[in-house]
Amino acid sequence: QLQLQESGPGLVKPSETLSLTCTVSSASITSIIHYWDWVRQPPGKGLEWIGSVYYNGSTYHSPSLKSRVAISLDTSKNQFFVTLKSVTAADTAVYFCARRRTDIVGAIQGDYYFDYWGQGVLVTVSS
Amino acid sequence: QSVLTQPPSASGAPGQRVTISCLGSSSNSGSNYVYWYQQLPGTAPKLLIYMDDQRPSGVPDRFSGSKSGSSASLAISGLRSEDEGDYYCATWDDSLSGHCVFGGGTKLTVL
Repeated sequence: QLQLQESGPGLVKPSETLSLTCTVSSASITSIIHYWDWVRQPPGKGLEWIGSVYYNGSTYHSPSLKSRVAISLDTSKNQFFVTLKSVTAADTAVYFCARRRTDIVGAIQGDYYFDYWGQGVLVTVSS
Repeated sequence: QSVLTQPPSASGAPGQRVTISCLGSSSNSGSNYVYWYQQLPGTAPKLLIYMDDQRPSGVPDRFSGSKSGSSASLAISGLRSEDEGDYYCATWDDSLSGHCVFGGGTKLTVL
């Protein structure tokens, strides 16, 4: 059974950089029909997409976070990562890693959907 | 403000039918598939509907999706207490180099 597990510091100071790792088990992140994404959820609020990475390193990012976020992957470790620079209290959230997949040959981005999620990790930004 | 507009809340008695709407625009739900996710308290979201109206295996046929133009809907019939939670629509937005967008979420209460 596919599993995604987030890991990283639960507390980050304002103005510093948030860094999280997602370790994928029982599936390869080199699959050509999957994207690997980060989604966050501030306490008591809705879901916010952060960005996405493909097996070849190509990425998509949320326009609102694009200037501060970087997403990458390490195929040798079957892991992907997110870093968010210059964090503030507004970045306090549960951060989920997730897989997007498609069933369509020659798919466009709109054909992909989230099928597996990690359990999420709470990151608090506070001094 | 979310690009996809959902009502903040919905409710119904056990056994009833409720619908949750999701309104977008031509650059997102009007030109891309809409997906629906259920998030029960303290858990990660779970896929309910994909490609506007398709149900993954294991999702009861009480859940159904539809779309007309830029407006999508999730219908839940035969409401059960375990359906109580948050429901999100999502799609891809083709503007600004492309990005995924979620609705603001609808909290479903089973009375």
